[in-house]
Amino acid sequence: DAGVIQSPRHEVTEMGQEVTLRCKPISGHNSLFWYRQTMMRGLELLIYFNNNVPIDDSGMPEDRFSAKMPNASFSTLKIQPSEPRDSAVYFCASIPPGRSNTGELFFGEGSRLTVL
Amino acid sequence: KQEVTQIPAALSVPEGENLVLNCSFTDSAIYNLQWFRQDPGKGLTSLLLIQSSQREQTSGRLNASLDKSSGRSTLYIAASQPGDSATYLCAVRPFNDMRFGAGTRLTVKP
Repeated sequence: DAGVIQSPRHEVTEMGQEVTLRCKPISGHNSLFWYRQTMMRGLELLIYFNNNVPIDDSGMPEDRFSAKMPNASFSTLKIQPSEPRDSAVYFCASIPPGRSNTGELFFGEGSRLTVL
Repeated sequence: KQEVTQIPAALSVPEGENLVLNCSFTDSAIYNLQWFRQDPGKGLTSLLLIQSSQREQTSGRLNASLDKSSGRSTLYIAASQPGDSATYLCAVRPFNDMRFGAGTRLTVKP
């Protein structure tokens, strides 16, 4: 059974470039989370979708960040324009249906972003 | 705002030792608490999930307890092995979000 799949695993880009990170949740899972992990701030929730609808995007740092979930099996996190302080590991996670509050959270392997 | 604290930040033990990792949280209004393991450069692997109505969960050599009233959870690892070396994170679910601690970096020496 495939887990949460993220791509790319590593991305190195220059300041000002657009970055798109992708996530495929576990099949059937209908809650999807985007997290960012840094040494300074640990794991921070960026945005949470339930049934493809953004429920809480209060963690999105600023307008440069946007996320979409066009269907149940795909989500993107876009940063435009990117800045060096966006360098972090970005994780996607999902939860089984009907258990958005009580279910176990499953993480992908993460996308390590470096902005030069 | 829910704050999650993990003590100690780092721990080094000899192989075979039993050990306890601590997690505390400031708001007892949670749905559940989950313990994760993270290896360097990897994602988070779920170890144990404790619902708010439960007191503990066990999986193999791992046992996690939850005391909501005092805002504490412990992860007990029995007979530690070098393969247990990793960072262990606890997270609590107050509502939509999961709030994470900073983790405890465990090293088990052969």
